[in-house]
Amino acid sequence: KQEVTQIPAALSVPEGENLVLNCSFTDSAIYNLQWFRQDPGKGLTSLLLIQSSQREQTSGRLNASLDKSSGRSTLYIAASQPGDSATYLCAVPRGNRDDKIIFGKGTRLHILP
Amino acid sequence: EAQVTQNPRYLITVTGKKLTVTCSQNMNHEYMSWYRQDPGLGLRQIYYSMNVEVTDKGDVPEGYKVSRKEKRNFPLILESPSPNQTSLYFCASRPLTGGNQPQHFGDGTRLSIL
Repeated sequence: KQEVTQIPAALSVPEGENLVLNCSFTDSAIYNLQWFRQDPGKGLTSLLLIQSSQREQTSGRLNASLDKSSGRSTLYIAASQPGDSATYLCAVPRGNRDDKIIFGKGTRLHILP
Repeated sequence: EAQVTQNPRYLITVTGKKLTVTCSQNMNHEYMSWYRQDPGLGLRQIYYSMNVEVTDKGDVPEGYKVSRKEKRNFPLILESPSPNQTSLYFCASRPLTGGNQPQHFGDGTRLSIL
């Protein structure tokens, strides 16, 4: 059974620091892995999607890596800003199909001005 | 503007009174899905649909129904709502063609069942 874990549940860092958010999953036979951002009272916004054949994806100050063999993904945020404050969630499909999606519980990030 | 629209955004109702939460997308996406989000439990998938007239259960389908008669709409039906269905609900969609594609989410519907 696929399980997705995100540690820590909450994180506070000073503005300007580089930081890493972690996501681990128990079944390495994943189709892809997706990172989302959720602002309070809002829906989810897709940040990065890494296909199973890829090892990383980059978008601006964000870089997501994928290591299927160890069941881990990291989201690296460079030069953090107060506007990065949000909850970050990772999600993987259950099994090697792309229909049923399992989400981690998220890391609540607070960037201190 | 490409978007997923949910209605209503907020609803307070009573146990047993049937309700429908609508979801509509204007991106011609094949795949649509419903999730609920609860404190401490995270986001859990209720139902999903791979195309018109094709629906399947997610992890927590009990107490819910869905239909997919048109490609753009995927309503979530609570035939006899109960307090344990009080939650924040999200609808999402994505295309199935063009390789791996990210999901687009609506802004959510906050349901309170008294």
